Amino acid sequence: KAGVTQTPRYLIKTRGQQVTLSCSPISGHRSVSWYQQTPGQGLQFLFEYFSETQRNKGNFPGRFSGRQFSNSRSEMNVSTLELGDSALYLCASSFQGSTGELFFGEGSRLTVL
Amino acid sequence: QKEVEQNSGPLSVPEGAIASLNCTYSDRGSQSFFWYRQYSGKSPELIMSIYSNGDKEDGRFTAQLNKASQYVSLLIRDSQPSDSATYLCAVPNSGNTPLVFGKGTRLSVIA
Repeated sequence: KAGVTQTPRYLIKTRGQQVTLSCSPISGHRSVSWYQQTPGQGLQFLFEYFSETQRNKGNFPGRFSGRQFSNSRSEMNVSTLELGDSALYLCASSFQGSTGELFFGEGSRLTVL
Repeated sequence: QKEVEQNSGPLSVPEGAIASLNCTYSDRGSQSFFWYRQYSGKSPELIMSIYSNGDKEDGRFTAQLNKASQYVSLLIRDSQPSDSATYLCAVPNSGNTPLVFGKGTRLSVIA
């Protein structure tokens, strides 16, 4: 069974640009969650999508957005990038919801210059 | 917002010893608890889940839950250098955040 696939794995952007990250969950999983991981803050929840609907949202500014498609693939977008957005962005899929057993992708490492 | 607290470490243990990792949580209503392992440069992976008081064993790993004291621990017996990683404790949240992670304890097993 294929795992969670995230693309791109690495990217470098400059302040003010925008970025789109993609996540393909495990086949049959309908829930996709996004987390931001930084050394100082650890894993911070961004949002969760379930069957194309945003089910939960963390405490991030509106520059962070996401969506989920009918095939459960998900994208997240960050607009007007700031230096502090440099982080590892992790996508996690689960069968029913993000309240416990999550399967993480390898992440997309974003560097903002 | 639930809080999940872990000692950041590093926790250093010699090969073959027992590594004990602890986690405390703030919400007495929490019903399920999870341990994830994250190797350097990799993503977290689930290694243990526990839902009721007491011990749950899986190979060299034992999760211990004490709801009255609001802590959950992970014991790793016969620690190996390959166990060197950051261990994250996670607890579901009934609020906006489905799963709240602690900041993790970095374990180093010395050969």
